[in-house]
Amino acid sequence: NAGVTQTPKFRVLKTGQSMTLLCAQDMNHEYMYWYRQDPGMGLRLIHYSVGEGTTAKGEVPDGYNVSRLKKQNFLLGLESAAPSQTSVYFCASSSTVNTEAFFGQGTRLTVV
Amino acid sequence: AQSVTQPDIHITVSEGASLELRCNYSYGATPYLFWYVQSPGQGLQLLLKYFSGDTLVQGIKGFEAEFKRSQSSFNLRKPSVHWSDAAEYFCAVGGNTGGFKTIFGAGTRLFVKA
Repeated sequence: NAGVTQTPKFRVLKTGQSMTLLCAQDMNHEYMYWYRQDPGMGLRLIHYSVGEGTTAKGEVPDGYNVSRLKKQNFLLGLESAAPSQTSVYFCASSSTVNTEAFFGQGTRLTVV
Repeated sequence: AQSVTQPDIHITVSEGASLELRCNYSYGATPYLFWYVQSPGQGLQLLLKYFSGDTLVQGIKGFEAEFKRSQSSFNLRKPSVHWSDAAEYFCAVGGNTGGFKTIFGAGTRLFVKA
């Protein structure tokens, strides 16, 4: 009964370092999303995918890259972390466009 | 352009009192509307959704919301708040035109006092 699983849950990076956040879902959903959550700003969409092998930019894509090589996995990469990327990152998935999204527990990333 | 406004950054209510959280949206077509709840340190959980039909929708945990097209609103209500309802609440709007784009409001944090 896992749903959407994000790893890691916490991470501290130095400016300029790179890292990859992993999202896995076991619900056979076509759609997957990466959001960032900052105080007073709600959730903002970084990138999303409408199926295996496809990705698209959301509201705030700069500084991030994604890949969807397998249907169940959606990876978010930071090539050169910046302090402005300090945030809580949420992955979500849904069966079709604009239907209920299921969220992971979040990854708290701090860039120093 | 799509947008969602939650006018109240935070609200405090007494346990047992009624609750209404406001949500106004802007969307060019028939919207899909959602309310999510986020407990501290957790992801978001769907409370309820409106796609079509009856404009008063019931959700989990005793919450309900009413879609008012004329006011572009989708306010969340609960008749009697419990201390466990303290959390952050997000309204979201999406649709089936123009490709995917579900937009979230900035959230309203609910505090419950004894």
